[in-house]
Amino acid sequence: DGGITQSPKYLFRKEGQNVTLSCEQNLNHDAMYWYRQDPGQGLRLIYYSQIVNDFQKGDIAEGYSVSREKKESFPLTVTSAQKNPTAFYLCASSMASGRYEQYFGPGTRLTVT
Amino acid sequence: DQQVKQNSPSLSVQEGRISILNCDYTNSMFDYFLWYKKYPAEGPTFLISISSIKDKNEDGRFTVFLNKSAKHLSLHIVPSQPGDSAVYFCAVTTNFGNEKLTFGTGTRLTIIP
Repeated sequence: DGGITQSPKYLFRKEGQNVTLSCEQNLNHDAMYWYRQDPGQGLRLIYYSQIVNDFQKGDIAEGYSVSREKKESFPLTVTSAQKNPTAFYLCASSMASGRYEQYFGPGTRLTVT
Repeated sequence: DQQVKQNSPSLSVQEGRISILNCDYTNSMFDYFLWYKKYPAEGPTFLISISSIKDKNEDGRFTVFLNKSAKHLSLHIVPSQPGDSAVYFCAVTTNFGNEKLTFGTGTRLTIIP
């Protein structure tokens, strides 16, 4: 079964701690993305990567970091510098070369207290 | 500055009738448009898309209309079914070799049995 997995589904952390969200895909997609969703807002792009070992900042990259060491994996670290980390985080992937449809994982709900 | 707007946060439609969801964008450089459907605590799923060279695209019960001069697109669902109750996001992109999507804020559609 091809798809995108995100783990865990729910994550709780204390303020001041860094936390890493996992995203894995077995769709052989080149491009991967991280979004966050807040109540009443659309999906906002945090970081994206079009190829292994390369990534770009999205619209709200401050306080986040990513790595893309393998094609299948694109972990997101929410650092203590992120002022409002509590949100629903979504990972997505897409084929490169003109295919625009992005396929999303089930999401991780992060709560920081 | 919101480049993609969905001005109706919510919409209620009787089962069997037509649901019409609207989306406006500001940048005339956008040339590919998508609709996604999202259930609570899940990732969005791709529904239908349209390129700027067309003004209509149909897939079963779903039809997307694009009015480039008005920078407006709409999604028609007919007949509406209870399973269509979800949040619908429009998304836009440009064909500059960058597949970054910009999402609207979403419209919550409720189908009344």
